[in-house]
Amino acid sequence: KQEVTQIPAALSVPEGENLVLNCSFTDSAIYNLQWFRQDPGKGLTSLLLIQSSQREQTSGRLNASLDKSSGRSTLYIAASQPGDSATYLCAVRDNYGQNFVFGPGTRLSVLP
Amino acid sequence: DAGITQSPRHKVTETGTPVTLRCHQTENHRYMYWYRQDPGHGLRLIHYSYGVKDTDKGEVSDGYSVSRSKTEDFLLTLESATSSQTSVYFCAISVGGDGEAFFGQGTRLTVV
Repeated sequence: KQEVTQIPAALSVPEGENLVLNCSFTDSAIYNLQWFRQDPGKGLTSLLLIQSSQREQTSGRLNASLDKSSGRSTLYIAASQPGDSATYLCAVRDNYGQNFVFGPGTRLSVLP
Repeated sequence: DAGITQSPRHKVTETGTPVTLRCHQTENHRYMYWYRQDPGHGLRLIHYSYGVKDTDKGEVSDGYSVSRSKTEDFLLTLESATSSQTSVYFCAISVGGDGEAFFGQGTRLTVV
């Protein structure tokens, strides 16, 4: 059974810092991996999708990498802003079905 | 938002009553999902659908049923609501060959 973990559970940084969020998964037979952000009381917003054959994806100040063999993905946020404060979730979709397994999330606070 | 609408957005119901939540998509995406999100448990899959009348169980399907009579609508029914089903329910779709997931805004259900 696929299990997804995220470290750290919470992170507080001053504005302007670069930061890295980590996601680990136990079964490397994945179809893709997706990063989301969730604001309090809101739904999930898709940030980046990495297919199993890809190593990284970039969107603006966000860069996500994937190392399938080691079961790891990182989300790099450059020059963090208070508006980046949210919970960040990673989810993997395996090759056996069409379901997504989510990590517990990292709660990020960017202080002005 | 990938054209996903959940209704109702908020509902309070009494223990033992049936409740139906609706997820509507404006495109003809094949895969649709129902998740629940709870503190300490994260997002867990309840049921999913891979086409009209084609559904399957997820991790936490007990006490829930689903139906999909049209491509655009996926209904989640709590047959006899219990307090343990108080949660936030999210509908999701999977788009295209890449399989990117998009989520609705959620339904906050309280069972009293």
